[in-house]
Amino acid sequence: DGGITQSPKYLFRKEGQNVTLSCEQNLNHDAMYWYRQDPGQGLRLIYYSQIVNDFQKGDIAEGYSVSREKKESFPLTVTSAQKNPTAFYLCASSSSGNTEAFFGQGTRLTVV
Amino acid sequence: EDQVTQSPEALRLQEGESSSLNCSYTVSGLRGLFWYRQDPGKGPEFLFTLYSAGEEKEKERLKATLTKKESFLHITAPKPEDSATYLCAVQGTTDKLIFGTGTRLQVFP
Repeated sequence: DGGITQSPKYLFRKEGQNVTLSCEQNLNHDAMYWYRQDPGQGLRLIYYSQIVNDFQKGDIAEGYSVSREKKESFPLTVTSAQKNPTAFYLCASSSSGNTEAFFGQGTRLTVV
Repeated sequence: EDQVTQSPEALRLQEGESSSLNCSYTVSGLRGLFWYRQDPGKGPEFLFTLYSAGEEKEKERLKATLTKKESFLHITAPKPEDSATYLCAVQGTTDKLIFGTGTRLQVFP
């Protein structure tokens, strides 16, 4: 089955801890994206990558880090520097810069 | 700066009552405008891609249109299962995929 897999579905983090969200795709897509969604709001871009070993900051990159060592994988680390990390995180991928992006089912992160 | 504004924020319709959702955008060099449907707690589901002004796409009760400044998602004779949040996104020459805040649609029987 082709698609995008995000894990885990739910994640709880203690304040001051770093946590890494996984995103894997088997669609052979070049581009991958990370978004944050807060209740009742749209998607805000955190980081995006058009090619392996290269990525760019989105609109709200502070407190987050990413890597793109493999085409299939684009993990997101939420660091302790992110002041308000509780949110719904969505990963997406697309085959090129102007084709539709497909989304995973999201990871809900809660700081306890 | 690329920007997307969607209206209305929320829309309540009676089953069978047709309406339209608006997506206004500013982007440097439009490469694509995308419509998605999102159900609560789920990832967005792709609906349409529009590339140039005058283009139209249809799928069941939904029809998307595009001008140089805005896009409309027309919903004809909606059913309760059409209830969801509809998101609009644009991609320009920066390769960023920028989303609006969405329209929350509720269709009542």
